[in-house]
Amino acid sequence: AQSVTQLGSHVSVSEGALVLLRCNYSSSVPPYLFWYVQYPNQGLQLLLKYTSAATLVKGINGFEAEFKKSETSFHLTKPSAHMSDAAEYFCAVSISGKLIFGTGTRLQVFP
Amino acid sequence: GAGVSQSPSNKVTEKGKDVELRCDPISGHTALYWYRQSLGQGLEFLIYFQGNSAPDKSGLPSDRFSAERTGGSVSTLTIQRTQQEDSAVYLCASSPRMGTGGVEQFFGPGTRLTVL
Repeated sequence: AQSVTQLGSHVSVSEGALVLLRCNYSSSVPPYLFWYVQYPNQGLQLLLKYTSAATLVKGINGFEAEFKKSETSFHLTKPSAHMSDAAEYFCAVSISGKLIFGTGTRLQVFP
Repeated sequence: GAGVSQSPSNKVTEKGKDVELRCDPISGHTALYWYRQSLGQGLEFLIYFQGNSAPDKSGLPSDRFSAERTGGSVSTLTIQRTQQEDSAVYLCASSPRMGTGGVEQFFGPGTRLTVL
């Protein structure tokens, strides 16, 4: 069965530092993968998605993710963290149209 | 344009009561989804609609949960005889079409349900 695993429920970085949020997928077929962000008391907002067109996917707010089949990974990165990036981030895989989410990673950004 | 809206934003109810949660999808979106977000279970799929029909109800946790969609637009999620474990944030999402792959789902702000 297809699924995603997010390593690290909490990640803390200093403002200006690299952000790396990890996501590994399990799938026997090429997956459709998503990263969503959830700000406090808000719904989910799409950051980016992988649909096999390109392995390096650029999203909103300076985030990007690279699909690596050999590592079954789809890690989310941002070169320089901003205070406004503090939120919860969810990796998800699409199965028959419905989204199966990882457990989420809460990102804290310190000044 | 207007996004997905949900009402109420917060609902507090007593154990055993029935509740109805409403979702207004983005105009023209044919697919509608319900998810539940709770501390213990994370984000879980509940049900989706394509038009007014629900091809996949596999995520509904018990027969106390039901959902309907009328006119291919508004959807209502009903929980009968609520239990404390039903306390969660219920999220609705819609998409322009039902796809097997990379179709973006647009999420509403959610309804926070608290069962006392």
